[in-house]
Amino acid sequence: DAGITQSPRYKITETGRQVTLMCHQTWSHSYMFWYRQDLGHGLRLIYYSAAADITDKGEVPDGYVVSRSKTENFPLTLESATRSQTSVYFCASSEWGEGVNEQFFGPGTRLTVL
Amino acid sequence: AQTVTQSQPEMSVQEAETVTLSCTYDTSESDYYLFWYKQPPSRQMILVIRQEAYKQQNATENRFSVNFQKAAKSFSLKISDSQLGDAAMYFCAYRSARYGGSQGNLIFGKGTKLSVKP
Repeated sequence: DAGITQSPRYKITETGRQVTLMCHQTWSHSYMFWYRQDLGHGLRLIYYSAAADITDKGEVPDGYVVSRSKTENFPLTLESATRSQTSVYFCASSEWGEGVNEQFFGPGTRLTVL
Repeated sequence: AQTVTQSQPEMSVQEAETVTLSCTYDTSESDYYLFWYKQPPSRQMILVIRQEAYKQQNATENRFSVNFQKAAKSFSLKISDSQLGDAAMYFCAYRSARYGGSQGNLIFGKGTKLSVKP
């Protein structure tokens, strides 16, 4: 199916474990983004990628690692999960270049770190 | 750095009535885009309406319209004839019109939770 998907949709893990959240888009968009959503903070950018093999930090990158070996995939890894990383995570993608380039969002992953 | 402020954490409206959600932003740029996103309980982020800063005319999408005041850096969302399905979290967002590097990033406000009373 065309669009942007995230997996898993729900994840419970324990402090100190490694967790990888997956994001896949079928539009061949250049840009991809990871946000976290917390009460009282709205959505905050963790990392973004302008193209395959090009990634950069956003507002709240500490504790997260990303990679982008293929245009369509942008996994987010929590190398050693902490309780403060309990959140809802959104992946998004958009075109690159002039114009509005609307960001399209995945359905989100609710992560709970115990 | 650009910032987006939504000063109303929660709002309530009677079904069929009109409600206005406020958003202000701060930027030194002259060309940019502004967005309103809706997030219903399903969590899906849905683009409601967008405004290009170079356009003086306020954007309208069916029952949704904006009041864009560029000099005041204000971007409010008006929902007319409110329906139960409008109940959601609403986020205002800013994006630079420049592209490349971090320019494509959205900057979000903290959101306004809208309740619709039957």
